Amino acid sequence: DAKTTQPPSMDCAEGRAANLPCNHSTISGNEYVYWYRQIHSQGPQYIIHGLKNNETNEMASLIITEDRKSSTLILPHATLRDTAVYYCIATLSGSARQLTFGSGTQLTVLP
Amino acid sequence: EPEVTQTPSHQVTQMGQEVILRCVPISNHLYFYWYRQILGQKVEFLVSFYNNEISEKSEIFDDQFSVERPDGSNFTLKIRSTKLEDSAMYFCASSERGASYEQYFGPGTRLTVT
Repeated sequence: DAKTTQPPSMDCAEGRAANLPCNHSTISGNEYVYWYRQIHSQGPQYIIHGLKNNETNEMASLIITEDRKSSTLILPHATLRDTAVYYCIATLSGSARQLTFGSGTQLTVLP
Repeated sequence: EPEVTQTPSHQVTQMGQEVILRCVPISNHLYFYWYRQILGQKVEFLVSFYNNEISEKSEIFDDQFSVERPDGSNFTLKIRSTKLEDSAMYFCASSERGASYEQYFGPGTRLTVT
């Protein structure tokens, strides 16, 4: 799996967009970018994933640069409940692949 | 919405005792996983399981650990002789298919070894 680099912490005002960056400069052509989050000590929660196109779902948008060396997770209207550690993981898709969690970004949404 | 469930939520055991942590994956999922998180540390992969076999395991998953799918719904992690350093949150996860999959995690079991 490609190494990913994320800032250790970020703040965001409630109601504003939260933009969480991730660097994965050594990503290979068939590795996906996955985003998960962990609220306090709960189980990690899947957010979104993509290969090279931008993706959007009900939770977030994922913007992947054209060279695929970095990506940004966007929470369009952050709420206090979005305060969590956000993990960016680059990995091959495939059966029963393990996820390798790094330290992630602690996002704090401020009232 | 279907979810992964785990029991118990908290287990306290004495060093050297055997523990079994239980998980009920999402019903149509075929791939199952165990992860652990020692307090203040990263989430670590332990093992993945498919078609009644271990698919991958980490160095942490030594002979003291075993997994089983005893029936059509449960997925268990057994630790034969617990050590103090096994104290952690243990998360079960499941996924539906192999290609471009998402793993869905349970709420975890907090294991405390005294």
